[in-house]
Amino acid sequence: QLQLQESGSGLVKPSQTLSLTCAVSGGSIGSGGYSWSWIRQSPGKGLEWVGHIYHSGSSYYNPSLQSRVTMSVDTSKNQFALNLTSLTAADTAVYYCARVGFAYDFWGQGILVTVSS
Amino acid sequence: DIQMTQSPSSLSASVGDRVTITCQASQDITKYLNWYQQKPGKAPKLLIYDASKLESGLPSRFSGSGSGTKFTFTITTLQPEDIATYYCLQFDSLPLTFGGGTKVQI
Repeated sequence: QLQLQESGSGLVKPSQTLSLTCAVSGGSIGSGGYSWSWIRQSPGKGLEWVGHIYHSGSSYYNPSLQSRVTMSVDTSKNQFALNLTSLTAADTAVYYCARVGFAYDFWGQGILVTVSS
Repeated sequence: DIQMTQSPSSLSASVGDRVTITCQASQDITKYLNWYQQKPGKAPKLLIYDASKLESGLPSRFSGSGSGTKFTFTITTLQPEDIATYYCLQFDSLPLTFGGGTKVQI
């Protein structure tokens, strides 16, 4: 059974950079036909697509975050990562990683990131 | 961006009731519509993909229909464990966009 696990900084100061990693187990991130994604959910609010990346490194980002977001993939460690710069309180959210096939079929449990001084 | 308008935003129903949620897309997304269930403190769970295909292993009381711009999600006989928030997601074009969610209460 595929499993995804987010890790990273849970408390970040305004203007700093968020760095999260999603470790994938029970399957290879390099297997064809899938991409790997980040989705976030602000407290008490809905879901927002952040972006996704293929094992080749090709990536697609939400235009609303385009200038601040970078994703990367490390097939040797079977993980992928999210960097989000110039943080503000509006970036406070639970960040989920997920596998993308016909839909988001496997999700991590989510990690709460709070932007506060 | 494709806007997904989901309704109602919340509903109250009884065990055994039929529950229907709709999502309207701002442009044609053919069949590329997913439905997810989210319980408090948990990640969303895929229920329906390609508008009407039930994810493997899930009970048949969940179903989806529609194409183009109008989609419907139905729980034929509401169970206590179905209390959750449900979201639609258009999978047709980037940026992917979610509906605002429907909170189902008993």
